[in-house]
Amino acid sequence: SQQGEEDPQALSIQEGENATMNCSYKTSINNLQWYRQNSGRGLVHLILIRSNEREKHSGRLRVTLDTSKKSSSLLITASRAADTASYFCATDAEGNNRLAFGKGNQVVVIP
Amino acid sequence: DAGVIQSPRHEVTEMGQEVTLRCKLISGHNSLFWYRQTMMRGLELLIYFNNNVPIDDSGMPEDRFSAKMPNASFSTLKIQPSEPRDSAVYFCASSFPFAYGYTFGSGTRLTVV
Repeated sequence: SQQGEEDPQALSIQEGENATMNCSYKTSINNLQWYRQNSGRGLVHLILIRSNEREKHSGRLRVTLDTSKKSSSLLITASRAADTASYFCATDAEGNNRLAFGKGNQVVVIP
Repeated sequence: DAGVIQSPRHEVTEMGQEVTLRCKLISGHNSLFWYRQTMMRGLELLIYFNNNVPIDDSGMPEDRFSAKMPNASFSTLKIQPSEPRDSAVYFCASSFPFAYGYTFGSGTRLTVV
């Protein structure tokens, strides 16, 4: 089954820097979503990008989608210590509301 | 709305005991998903429901696991008998149908000793 795979697995940056993480998937999709998980908590939906969209913004988040390469990137600009979390991409196959999650990127923002 | 509510937050039980995890959906959501998260395997979809009907339970590890959705707002995941390898964090999530994202509960951390 399709599954998002994030790259890199772990990222450590200074507060104020930008953080970029990538996700690849294997089959055609209806949409791709990014989630954040703080330690000991549930996942929180950040942003959804549909297969016919190439870029989407939400606050300090910027997501791109390249369906020809089956990949997506999540950029967090001007990072803050509160952005420290694991970030997951998840794909929704066409016509199916079932999400397959990647293994996650751990991001540590050093104050 | 209080969001997706799971109970208990933590459960420690002895091997062989029955464990029941509970989930209350967000009002109006009609899709319900149970996931299990471990360090080794990440997030695994166990089962999901649409309009109270189980659609795909292929992720349920074995017959010891069962899930029910007796009404539109509530679901249970039962493990009987429990084993140490069932130790994990179990999440439920709910959504509107198609392309609106999931809302996750805070999870139940299960430890089977």
